[in-house]
Amino acid sequence: DIVLTQSPASLAVSLGQRATISCRASESVDNYGISFMNWFQQKPGQPPKLLIYAASNQGSGVPARFTGSGSGTDFSLNIHPMEEDDTAMYFCQQSKEVPYTFGGGTKLEIK
Amino acid sequence: DVQLQESGPGLVKPSQSLSLTCSVTGYSIINSYYWNWIRQFPGNKLEWMGYISYDGSNNYNPSLKNRISITRDTSKNQFFLRLNSVTTEDTATYYCARVRGNYEFAYWGQGTLVTVSA
Repeated sequence: DIVLTQSPASLAVSLGQRATISCRASESVDNYGISFMNWFQQKPGQPPKLLIYAASNQGSGVPARFTGSGSGTDFSLNIHPMEEDDTAMYFCQQSKEVPYTFGGGTKLEIK
Repeated sequence: DVQLQESGPGLVKPSQSLSLTCSVTGYSIINSYYWNWIRQFPGNKLEWMGYISYDGSNNYNPSLKNRISITRDTSKNQFFLRLNSVTTEDTATYYCARVRGNYEFAYWGQGTLVTVSA
């Protein structure tokens, strides 16, 4: 299985500042020129919401302040500028191969 | 737009089977894509359990060994999860979800909490 290690586990960022969450895969999630890495936001009592797919593509209706980058085994999710509504859990997930796997999550709060 | 909704018992006894239904509207499950079950444990860990494809084939997480079965009723546009021999470790919120072009989970149900307890 591809193991995804997310860091940090928790993060507090001031309004208007940048939040950066990292995700490292135990092996490359690239194939056919695509990085099969996705990012989700989850708020309490709600299902995960797709933010970023294929490493850097924004999901439907996702604000431009959410950006994804990376390839191979190292990926990042950036949120800038930080807004109150961004308080949530964030997960990375690989869809290169089954079993599809998720990172352990990052809790993002306002400082 | 496609919508998914889970339903089923919220409480299951240890050693029994867990059965859930995912009802889909806005898209036919035989048209395309993979139709998945994902669960989230207390503490937030997410686990992909398996899928049934539009053509009826399956793929399961090996961690669930021979306990899992995902089937469907195409006439009702529903697919089902059955997990046998449950223990308290299977207590989780269960989601059904559909992938999109790069197999990202683009559409999710609201989830249903299943507690395994005597």
